[in-house]
Amino acid sequence: EVQLVQSGAEVKKPGESLKISCKGSGYSFTSYWIGWVRQMPGKGLEWMGIIYPGDSDTRYSPSFQGQVTISADKSISTAYLQWSSLKASDTAMYYCVRGDWYFDLWGRGTLVTVSS
Amino acid sequence: EIVLTQSPATLSLSPGERATLSCRASQSVSSYLAWYQQKPGQAPRLLIYDASNRATGIPARFSGSGSGTDFTLTISSLEPEDFAVYYCQQRSNWLFTFGPGTKVDIK
Repeated sequence: EVQLVQSGAEVKKPGESLKISCKGSGYSFTSYWIGWVRQMPGKGLEWMGIIYPGDSDTRYSPSFQGQVTISADKSISTAYLQWSSLKASDTAMYYCVRGDWYFDLWGRGTLVTVSS
Repeated sequence: EIVLTQSPATLSLSPGERATLSCRASQSVSSYLAWYQQKPGQAPRLLIYDASNRATGIPARFSGSGSGTDFTLTISSLEPEDFAVYYCQQRSNWLFTFGPGTKVDIK
């Protein structure tokens, strides 16, 4: 089955670091771009950035550049989204997605809650 | 950055009715526009890509049209499972943007 499997929900305190993951299966992971999309509670979708696991070429939304780091380990077909210092405003659902023009495959999402 | 505007914000209709959703881009995106459906508690799913092509497994009652700056998603006859939020999305110069969404709810 072609799917993106995301890591589980996280509860963190402000200032902590975090790395969430997205594992692709059922297709050639290195041949498709993987992106990340944020959805804050009750809000719409925001594109954060995208990576090509084949060569780690990465692009960021200006809104998220410098705020997060996107990476991938093609040997284990996994992409990552990480924060070095979380804020309460990072509380959201984060989806990994496949595609470079539109997103034809979505993970189920990782809920990140940041609260003191 | 290209801004997408969707209208209306909410569309209240009954099952069996026709739904017409609009997405307008602040500048031309040619035909590089997609539509997604999101139900409560679920990830979005791709419905339409390149303005008018149905994604795999999407029923024929969903259709997309338009090019340039004005696009339409039409649901010909609403089924109970179609009540959801719909987003449009474009990519230009490696910047992806989504519209704010249209909620289709039951009248």
